[in-house]
Amino acid sequence: KNEVEQSPQNLTAQEGEFITINCSYSVGISALHWLQQHPGGGIVSLFMLSSGKKKHGRLIATINIQEKHSSLHITASHPRDSAVYICAVLSYNTDKLIFGTGTRLQVFP
Amino acid sequence: NAGVMQNPRHLVRRRGQEARLRCSPMKGHSHVYWYRQLPEEGLKFMVYLQKENIIDESGMPKERFSAEFPKEGPSILRIQQVVRGDSAAYFCASSPLRRIAQGPQHFGDGTRLSIL
Repeated sequence: KNEVEQSPQNLTAQEGEFITINCSYSVGISALHWLQQHPGGGIVSLFMLSSGKKKHGRLIATINIQEKHSSLHITASHPRDSAVYICAVLSYNTDKLIFGTGTRLQVFP
Repeated sequence: NAGVMQNPRHLVRRRGQEARLRCSPMKGHSHVYWYRQLPEEGLKFMVYLQKENIIDESGMPKERFSAEFPKEGPSILRIQQVVRGDSAAYFCASSPLRRIAQGPQHFGDGTRLSIL
């Protein structure tokens, strides 16, 4: 079993829909990152969080440390949101990032 | 990702050749991390370097792979005698801080290595 699990693996949506991507992890962490990888492959850091909730524009990330779970929400989705969204946790023990396999999101107009 | 520069973006090598991947961190960043993304898999940590020092190479394959971050110039990931299984995207990230928990990492656009 992977130490970081994301669901769903693939997600399609119509423009304007509310989207949720989930991340569960099984190790002790110092922080959790949400990353975005566009076709063409560059990786952009969206959020780093260790508790509570963060918001940036139409993106919201939440984390529940007790349940070892995080969610990334996209409100009013747009085709330009189409990308792979990656959850990565910073292991408290090893001080290294452990990555999920990503959620591939396609938003259609 | 204008900050962290990786080159080349695409690299094609024949089996047995050497591959050299370069990473120039963001200005002011002295910590560099290399990750590998195999097809259909998540990124995996390979090595963490500071200037002139390898801090943690626990994710590096034992043979054929090496990394350096010299005092001057970019960090280099070197793969000798490449095999088909080395085909992957290799990402570099940099940080100004010793402990990356203190801030986000900044990623390059990656080098896509294809082995013929």
